[in-house]
Amino acid sequence: GQNIDQPTEMTATEGAIVQINCTYQTSGFNGLFWYQQHAGEAPTFLSYNVLDGLEEKGRFSSFLSRSKGYSYLLLKELQMKDSASYLCAVRDTAGGYQKVTFGIGTKLQVIP
Amino acid sequence: DTGVSQDPRHKITKRGQNVTFRCDPISEHNRLYWYRQTLGQGPEFLTYFQNEAQLEKSRLLSDRFSAERPKGSFSTLEIQRTEQGDSAMYLCASSPLTGSGANVLTFGAGSRLTVL
Repeated sequence: GQNIDQPTEMTATEGAIVQINCTYQTSGFNGLFWYQQHAGEAPTFLSYNVLDGLEEKGRFSSFLSRSKGYSYLLLKELQMKDSASYLCAVRDTAGGYQKVTFGIGTKLQVIP
Repeated sequence: DTGVSQDPRHKITKRGQNVTFRCDPISEHNRLYWYRQTLGQGPEFLTYFQNEAQLEKSRLLSDRFSAERPKGSFSTLEIQRTEQGDSAMYLCASSPLTGSGANVLTFGAGSRLTVL
């Protein structure tokens, strides 16, 4: 099975930088995803990591350490519209199939 | 292509009734997932299809839940004898089997179920 842990809530100031951490345990790791979900909407894809290191995409970056079972999502130059829930998800191919499991999500509130 | 479509968007039913949700994935996507999400929680995996084959089903899923993808295109999720605890948003997602898009789940807007 899988266990994904991330903080339930965070607050940050507009224009600042925030780091959302995610730790996971899985038997057949095959990729880690970050999704953004605004209240009442479907999740939208932000990033994907399968190898160790940092992936940068505009204001968002995602880091992965497979040996530590750890990832973070870094959001720079925060904007009010970044207030949303950020979901960490892990793909597991144990058993040969593709199962993507989500964490509980971190609700980020950006304040002026 | 208009993305992943789900129908109905909202369903209110009485306890004990059966409900069925439909998902139309992006046309070239081989993989299809069903998730359930309740308020304040992340999406909970229900089942996964690769083409018409149902390859994975959550062990947490009651026998009242069944999903099909008969021709490898659209999928249906049926809940029999609904219970109040079934009230949730039911999300469908799809992705291609290969290529860079294989690492992206595209979600539909969801079907919100309320069981009275």
